[in-house]
Amino acid sequence: AQKITQTQPGMFVQEKEAVTLDCTYDTSDQSYGLFWYKQPSSGEMIFLIYQGSYDEQNATEGRYSLNFQKARKSANLVISASQLGDSAMYFCAMREVTSGTYKYIFGTGTRLKVLA
Amino acid sequence: DTGVSQNPRHKITKRGQNVTFRCDPISEHNRLYWYRQTLGQGPEFLTYFQNEAQLEKSRLLSDRFSAERPKGSFSTLEIQRTEQGDSAMYLCASRPTGPEAFFGQGTRLTVV
Repeated sequence: AQKITQTQPGMFVQEKEAVTLDCTYDTSDQSYGLFWYKQPSSGEMIFLIYQGSYDEQNATEGRYSLNFQKARKSANLVISASQLGDSAMYFCAMREVTSGTYKYIFGTGTRLKVLA
Repeated sequence: DTGVSQNPRHKITKRGQNVTFRCDPISEHNRLYWYRQTLGQGPEFLTYFQNEAQLEKSRLLSDRFSAERPKGSFSTLEIQRTEQGDSAMYLCASRPTGPEAFFGQGTRLTVV
């Protein structure tokens, strides 16, 4: 069964420092996508970054990078040069491509607080 | 591209009443999702449409919940005979042919 695990309920990081948010996943599908979303207090889920299971290179989008370790089934988000505006909930998600389901499943999230 | 629009943003209703939420996806996104999110949890899948066809529903979705997407554009989610346990944020997302889904700002439902 597909599952996403985020073991860090909360994280603190000093402004301008880098931070890693952990995500592990479980799937029996060979083809799947991994996603990170940011949810500020306003409630909207903001797409950050995507990694396909067959992508050989780690995805990067500006200050965001995804550390994809397929054998370990982990997809950690790295935020470089943290800013105060990065304070938010962060959710890891997965969608299987060939298992017959269309849904994304989400982890329970990590609340990040950036300190000035 | 005006983003995914959800209305209303907030809804307070009395237990037992029916409520309906609307989602307008990004134009030309033929895939649409509804999710529910309770405090401290990640979004939980409710249902999925491709064009007007409802292709997947969560087994957790009781028969009090129904969703439609009659013309393959906007979608509605109706909850009949609301219960206090229905209080949550209801999120809508749309997806083009690419992998990522784009979410609206959600409708926060409070059942009193």
